[in-house]
Amino acid sequence: GAVVSQHPSWVICKSGTSVKIECRSLDFQATTMFWYRQFPKQSLMLMATSNEGSKATYEQGVEKDKFLINHASLTLSTLTVTSAHPEDSSFYICSARVGQSTYGYTFGSGTRLTVV
Amino acid sequence: KQEVTQIPAALSVPEGENLVLNCSFTDSAIYNLQWFRQDPGKGLTSLLLIQSSQREQTSGRLNASLDKSSGRSTLYIAASQPGDSATYLCAVRFDYGQNFVFGPGTRLSVLP
Repeated sequence: GAVVSQHPSWVICKSGTSVKIECRSLDFQATTMFWYRQFPKQSLMLMATSNEGSKATYEQGVEKDKFLINHASLTLSTLTVTSAHPEDSSFYICSARVGQSTYGYTFGSGTRLTVV
Repeated sequence: KQEVTQIPAALSVPEGENLVLNCSFTDSAIYNLQWFRQDPGKGLTSLLLIQSSQREQTSGRLNASLDKSSGRSTLYIAASQPGDSATYLCAVRFDYGQNFVFGPGTRLSVLP
């Protein structure tokens, strides 16, 4: 149980285009979703936190107008990288809090984005 | 600032050795700590989750310990195998926060 399906698993896009990454909770309601990114040879860093029906809270240094997060339902959250540039090439992964559980978190399988 | 560090950054051992990976965190007020495995270009595989009230967790050849007061956790891998080769990430959920803070990882290579 508590599975988050993340798509696509990898994507290559041209510089200047936008890319949407989806995370769906398959068998639970994801009240809170976290978006992380990982640059090569670095660890995962939190980008933003979103609660269903509310605006996302972005970490310092993350451009909210560039990384659009939508969490309009309890089962779907999306991250759109707008006007992508090569420096946005990274591994993006979502994590969902399972309902109101204090301890329950599950991670998506990640999306490898390459901007050429 | 809440930080998580891991040592060593990389480790290469012959097959069959027992090994220890270390994780340190700056604030002892934690909810839980989780060890993950990440294969190249892939997502995260959860290995062990230790709640703040626990001292250790075991799963097969893996054993993770937690010492909150000293801000440390260790992941013990017994009888290592080439299939254990991966990057191991330590992640901490601190009190007053919802997200995990990840360490930089230990890149493990087990040589046949």
